[in-house]
Amino acid sequence: KAGVTQTPRYLIKTRGQQVTLSCSPISGHRSVSWYQQTPGQGLQFLFEYFSETQRNKGNFPGRFSGRQFSNSRSEMNVSTLELGDSALYLCASSLGGRPYYEQYFGPGTRLTVT
Amino acid sequence: ILNVEQSPQSLHVQEGDSTNFTCSFPSSNFYALHWYRWETAKSPEALFVMTLNGDEKKKGRISATLNTKEGYSYLYIKGSQPEDSATYLCALGSGTYKYIFGTGTRLKVLA
Repeated sequence: KAGVTQTPRYLIKTRGQQVTLSCSPISGHRSVSWYQQTPGQGLQFLFEYFSETQRNKGNFPGRFSGRQFSNSRSEMNVSTLELGDSALYLCASSLGGRPYYEQYFGPGTRLTVT
Repeated sequence: ILNVEQSPQSLHVQEGDSTNFTCSFPSSNFYALHWYRWETAKSPEALFVMTLNGDEKKKGRISATLNTKEGYSYLYIKGSQPEDSATYLCALGSGTYKYIFGTGTRLKVLA
């Protein structure tokens, strides 16, 4: 069974631009969560989608948004990029939306904002 | 604000040593506790998910216990090997479906 895939793997953007990251979950998984990891910080929860609905959102500004399609693939968008948005962005999929399901992580997208 | 703490932050052990780490979390609003292993240049890999007070899980030389009443979980590695070198993360699954991660314990096993 194919794992979670994320594209692109690396990205360099300029302040003020916007960016869209993509995540394809494991086949059959309906929940996709997004995380940000910056140096010195743990994984920070961004949001979770289940069956195309955003069910929870972490403490991030409205510049961070996402969506999920009917095939469970998810995209994350960051508008008006700031230097502090430079981070590793990970997505994780799980079979169901309850927090007792195992999460399977993708390889991440490394975003650099200059 | 829910906070998950892990200790120690980093650890160096000799090959063959046994070791353990702690994950502390607020016992209110508990739903599940996850442990992950994150090796450099790889994705975090799920080790265990525990939901019940007193749960014990084991996978090879790695085991974990859970105490939801006092809000902690221990991860044990028996007979550490160099390939166990990684960052070990715990995450609280709360009743609001959020996952709150600790900052991890970085383990280095010296051959």
